[in-house]
Amino acid sequence: QSALTQPTSVSGSPGQSITISCTGTSSDVGSYSYVSWYQQHPGKAPKLMIYDVTNRPSGVPNRFSGSKSGNTASLTISGLQAEDEADYYCSSYTNSNTRVFGGGTKLTVL
Amino acid sequence: QLQLQESGPGLVKPSETLSLICSVSGGSIISSSYYWGWIRQPPGKGLEWIGIIYYGGNTYYSPSLKSRVIISVDTSKNQFSLQLNSVTAADTAVYYCARHRRIVGELDPWGQGTLVTVSS
Repeated sequence: QSALTQPTSVSGSPGQSITISCTGTSSDVGSYSYVSWYQQHPGKAPKLMIYDVTNRPSGVPNRFSGSKSGNTASLTISGLQAEDEADYYCSSYTNSNTRVFGGGTKLTVL
Repeated sequence: QLQLQESGPGLVKPSETLSLICSVSGGSIISSSYYWGWIRQPPGKGLEWIGIIYYGGNTYYSPSLKSRVIISVDTSKNQFSLQLNSVTAADTAVYYCARHRRIVGELDPWGQGTLVTVSS
C-alpha cells in the first residue's frame, strides 16, 4: 500500500483559512469514511484533530473541519492562529484491514 | 484518563530484535471497542503504521513489515508489545503506541513515543 499524498507545505497569515489535501485511492480514502487527521508539534506525539472525515473530538476548536470528495480528503483550518503551526498528517483505513498515513504537511503561520 | 507509555531499549544492534512494551493506565486493555497499535516515525520523516492487536490476540500488520513484526498482548499486565526482527538502520525511529478504535477507526490517545536507534 502506498502512502496517501499530501502537499509538503502550506502557509497562511493569522486569521486566514488554509486547506490541506490528502489524496488516496479507491482502496482507502475513496471507499471509506474512516479518514482521520493528526496535528504534531516538534518533539511531541501526534494529536487527533478529526476522525471519520468530519468529526471533531471534544476539546478541538471548531476552526478545524474535515471533508471528503472522491479519493481526496481535506482538512480546513479557519481563523489561523500562531499555535496552529505544526505538521499535519492524514490517515485512512484500507481494504486490507490496515491503516495508511499521508506523508505529512508542514503548516507555517506567517 | 487513559494513558499509554512506551518502554524498551533505546539502542539495538543491526540484525537483532527490537522489543518494546506499551503500558496502559487509566483504563483496561480488555475492551470490545478498541484495538491497540504501534506506529513509528523515522527522524525528520512521516508516520508509518506498523500494526494492531485486539485483547483477544487478533492482529493486523502493515504488508511492508509483516514478515518481521510480532505484536502480542498481556491482559494480566494491561500491556501490549512490539517485536521487530532483523533490524537495520532503516528501522531507527521514534516508536509510538496508541489506542485504535476498532479496526477501522482513529488512533487516540498516543503515548509520548520512544526513540530506538539501530547501530553497532
